[in-house]
Amino acid sequence: DVKVTQSSRYLVKRTGEKVFLECVQDMDHENMFWYRQDPGLGLRLIYFSYDVKMKEKGDIPEGYSVSREKKERFSLILESASTNQTSMYLCASSFREARSEAFFGQGTRLTVV
Amino acid sequence: KNQVEQSPQSLIILEGKNCTLQCNYTVSPFSNLRWYKQDTGRGPVSLTIMTFSENTKSNGRYTATLDADTKQSSLHITASQLSDSASYICVVPFGAGNNRKLIWGLGTSLAVNP
Repeated sequence: DVKVTQSSRYLVKRTGEKVFLECVQDMDHENMFWYRQDPGLGLRLIYFSYDVKMKEKGDIPEGYSVSREKKERFSLILESASTNQTSMYLCASSFREARSEAFFGQGTRLTVV
Repeated sequence: KNQVEQSPQSLIILEGKNCTLQCNYTVSPFSNLRWYKQDTGRGPVSLTIMTFSENTKSNGRYTATLDADTKQSSLHITASQLSDSASYICVVPFGAGNNRKLIWGLGTSLAVNP
């Protein structure tokens, strides 16, 4: 079975802290994604990576950065957490082909206080 | 503008009843459309993928249809169960090659009551 594992299910951080969210996939997928999901807004793409060290901004990259040093690992970094970054964060991965399904991790519920 | 719109926003049905969820898209060029199921507090899980040439595809009690001419898809759930309570999200890929991204609908929240 494909597995996408996010490092934490729940996180509580203070405003101004630097926050790291880790994601690991075990299917040798080229593509990896970070989304945030908020009520009424659906899934919004933060960053996308299609290869090691390659990244593209999504729809809402402000306040976030990413790192992909190894193919299986994609990290999301909140440089200075703010309360408006309280959200559910979802990592996903897929093969590069057009029909490839995206597999999701279990999500990280981040609360910034 | 590339968009995916779903209706209804929410739906409540009784256990054992059928229901149909709708998805309209304006993404072009079109290659495929996916339906995902998302349980509360969990990541989405793929139910089915519909390509341009497919009209109907079933996955157990879930049947998806696609009309590429009208740019509409539906997800029909037969003999609903309590475990069907979830959000159902329609997704259409956009772009090509390394720039391929997914356009997500806002989902239909389905509650199945006993």
